[in-house]
Amino acid sequence: AQSVTQLGSHVSVSEGALVLLRCNYSSSVPPYLFWYVQYPNQGLQLLLKYTSAATLVKGINGFEAEFKKSETSFHLTKPSAHMSDAAEYFCAVKGSTGGFKTIFGAGTRLFVKA
Amino acid sequence: NAGVTQTPKFQVLKTGQSMTLQCAQDMNHEYMSWYRQDPGMGLRLIHYSVGAGITDQGEVPNGYNVSRSTTEDFPLRLLSAAPSQTSVYFCASSQQGVADTQYFGPGTRLTVL
Repeated sequence: AQSVTQLGSHVSVSEGALVLLRCNYSSSVPPYLFWYVQYPNQGLQLLLKYTSAATLVKGINGFEAEFKKSETSFHLTKPSAHMSDAAEYFCAVKGSTGGFKTIFGAGTRLFVKA
Repeated sequence: NAGVTQTPKFQVLKTGQSMTLQCAQDMNHEYMSWYRQDPGMGLRLIHYSVGAGITDQGEVPNGYNVSRSTTEDFPLRLLSAAPSQTSVYFCASSQQGVADTQYFGPGTRLTVL
């Protein structure tokens, strides 16, 4: 069975500081991994995804994530936080043989302080 | 191109009432799904469909019903609403590939009294 664990339900950073949101996954088959962002009162939108090509994946708004198979991790980073990055972030996994079901983590809410 | 649309945006029901949450997409996506979002629990899959006439259960299907008569529409029916179904509901659609991105609607906030 596949699962996703996001470490930290809330993360607070200062504007201009590094953003690091942690995600660990469990999958018995090669996974496809996603990060989605949800702004207040909106639906989710894709930030980036890993599909077994390059292990370092670049997404929108300056975010990137690195797939580390040995650590079963897919942490999301951004070098310099902006006030507009305040949102909830979800890590998600699909298996290559699991059909279309996507398993989401519980989410991490990012706060950015001025 | 409207993407994924959901109606209504807000709904208040009394226990035992039934209702249908509407979802439509104009991207000709085969795959559609319904999720519920509860604090601290992320998104949980209720039902999904891989094409017109084909539906299947997700993690939390009890108390919900779906049908898919067209590619565009995927309504979610609450048969007899319960307070435990108070949640935010999201519809999503995607192409058929396992690596394809899901596109989400804006959500329906449902309160059951």
